[in-house]
Amino acid sequence: EVQLVESGGGLVQPGGSLRLSCAASGFTFSNFAMSWVRQAPGKGLEWVSAISGSGDSTYYADSVKGRFTISRDNSKNTLYLQMNSLRADDTAVYHCAKDMALGVEFWFDPWGQGTLVTVSS
Amino acid sequence: QSVLTQPPSASGTPGQRVTISCSGSSSNIGSNYVYWYQQLPGTAPKLLIYRNNQRPSGVPDRFSGSKSGTSASLAISGLRSEDEADYHCAAWDDSLSGLFGTGTKVTVL
Repeated sequence: EVQLVESGGGLVQPGGSLRLSCAASGFTFSNFAMSWVRQAPGKGLEWVSAISGSGDSTYYADSVKGRFTISRDNSKNTLYLQMNSLRADDTAVYHCAKDMALGVEFWFDPWGQGTLVTVSS
Repeated sequence: QSVLTQPPSASGTPGQRVTISCSGSSSNIGSNYVYWYQQLPGTAPKLLIYRNNQRPSGVPDRFSGSKSGTSASLAISGLRSEDEADYHCAAWDDSLSGLFGTGTKVTVL
């Protein structure tokens, strides 16, 4: 069974940093692109970042470019999101999602349950 | 970055057909595949339609997707109470960024 489990969320002050992890199991991790998608409380979905299966290609939403870094360790079947210079509007549940291709296609199946990031003083 | 526009809400009685639109532009829907995700209350989104009109195994054939030009639609026929959820369209944009729709809440009356 394909499974994605996020961790690393929590309460952080504005300007602070946090690193999210997504542990994957049940599939050959390096064969698939991965993405992070967030959902602010009561709001819609917002794509944050994506990375190809090999890790060679990365993509970011304008809202996080220069502040967030996506990476993956294919030997550990783990996806990461390093978040720096956090702002109040970064508050959201962050989901990792498996793409159905080696390259990014936005074909997400499945999604993890998410980890909550709260940015507040 | 642009967004994909959906109506905020849609509703119908059990058995009816409900259609949700998703409007984009030539750089996203017009030149890339459209995906649809269903999000039941308090849960993670689930893939409903991929590559414009394909259903994953396990998704009832009551759900169907279509695309024309820079717009796409999701239709739910034979509406059931368990279809009450938020529905999100999504597409890759040629600017190398991903876009989700604004989301539509479907209510079964």
